[in-house]
Amino acid sequence: AQSVTQPDIHITVSEGASLELRCNYSYGATPYLFWYVQSPGQGLQLLLKYFSGDTLVQGIKGFEAEFKRSQSSFNLRKPSVHWSDAAEYFCAVVQNQAGTALIFGKGTTLSVSS
Amino acid sequence: IAGITQAPTSQILAAGRRMTLRCTQDMRHNAMYWYRQDLGLGLRLIHYSNTAGTTGKGEVPDGYSVSRANTDDFPLTLASAVPSQTSVYFCASSETSGGTGELFFGEGSRLTVL
Repeated sequence: AQSVTQPDIHITVSEGASLELRCNYSYGATPYLFWYVQSPGQGLQLLLKYFSGDTLVQGIKGFEAEFKRSQSSFNLRKPSVHWSDAAEYFCAVVQNQAGTALIFGKGTTLSVSS
Repeated sequence: IAGITQAPTSQILAAGRRMTLRCTQDMRHNAMYWYRQDLGLGLRLIHYSNTAGTTGKGEVPDGYSVSRANTDDFPLTLASAVPSQTSVYFCASSETSGGTGELFFGEGSRLTVL
């Protein structure tokens, strides 16, 4: 079965520093991968997605992610973090490509220190 | 722009009571989903519907039922609530069930079962 692992439960980054959030997936075929962000008390918002093609994907708010098949990873990156980026981040994979729902990782909470 | 509307936003419920969480979308999306979010567990899929008239079970369907009588509405029912169903529930929709579309989330319904 498809699954997603986010190894880091909580990360603290200084404002202006770079960020990398890790995501590893388990899937037999080429996965459809997503990163979502959840601000406190809110629903989830899509940051970016990967289906095929260029393995470096650009998203909103200055985020990018790189798909690495050899490492079964889809890590999220941002070169310079802003205080407003503090939130919970979820990596997700499509349940199956016949199409149903997303399976989410357990999330990584990002704190930004000044 | 409404998107997805969930009701109630918050509810305290006695164990053994029946409860229906409502979800309505105005985007004419084919697919709809119910997730529950628990601290440290991320989002887990309860039930989904790829199109009106069809439903399917997700990762944690026990104790929950859904119906999809039309495109816009996807209510989630707890027939006899138990304390382990205390959670934040998110309804989501996507244009298709093909797994390539963005999921749009509601604001969530916080349910406490005593």
